[in-house]
Amino acid sequence: EAQVTQNPRYLITVTGKKLTVTCSQNMNHEYMSWYRQDPGLGLRQIYYSMNVEVTDKGDVPEGYKVSRKEKRNFPLILESPSPNQTSLYFCASSLPHPSPLHFGNGTRLTVT
Amino acid sequence: GDSVTQMEGPVTLSEEAFLTINCTYTATGYPSLFWYVQYPGEGLQLLLKATKADDKGSNKGFEATYRKETTSFHLEKGSVQVSDSAVYFCALNQKAAGNKLTFGGGTRVLVKP
Repeated sequence: EAQVTQNPRYLITVTGKKLTVTCSQNMNHEYMSWYRQDPGLGLRQIYYSMNVEVTDKGDVPEGYKVSRKEKRNFPLILESPSPNQTSLYFCASSLPHPSPLHFGNGTRLTVT
Repeated sequence: GDSVTQMEGPVTLSEEAFLTINCTYTATGYPSLFWYVQYPGEGLQLLLKATKADDKGSNKGFEATYRKETTSFHLEKGSVQVSDSAVYFCALNQKAAGNKLTFGGGTRVLVKP
């Protein structure tokens, strides 16, 4: 089954404790990206990758890092999480524009 | 920059009622337009899309027409069901920034039996 898999689904952590949210896709997509969803703001792009070893900032990259060492994986790293990073995070992948994005089921992160 | 504005919810309807969710956009060039749906506890799923002016996207009884003159992409369904209860997002996509989608704020729809 074609899918984007994120882990964990839920995560509660404390300020400053490094964490990684994993994302994997099995569709051989070149494009992968991370979004955060906040009430009333819709989804905003954090980082994206157009292929292996090619990543770039989206609209809200502050406080986040990513890496793309393999085509299927695109982890999101929060080196020193803060409470304003409490949000619902989605990983997505796609073929080139204008192909639709395929989304994972989300990771709900709470930073206390 | 690009932006998408959609009506705020929640929208509460009775089963078999007509649904309209307004969506307007601001963008340079000729974006592709999408409606995504998010059911509780799940990720976003593509509902329908239109890639050029006057295109009509349709799926599962939902329709939306790409209106360049009014920069709109309103979502409609003639007879909603309880299973249509979800959050609906209008989005546009430009050929840049990793196939980035620019989303509206989302509209929660609740259909009551």
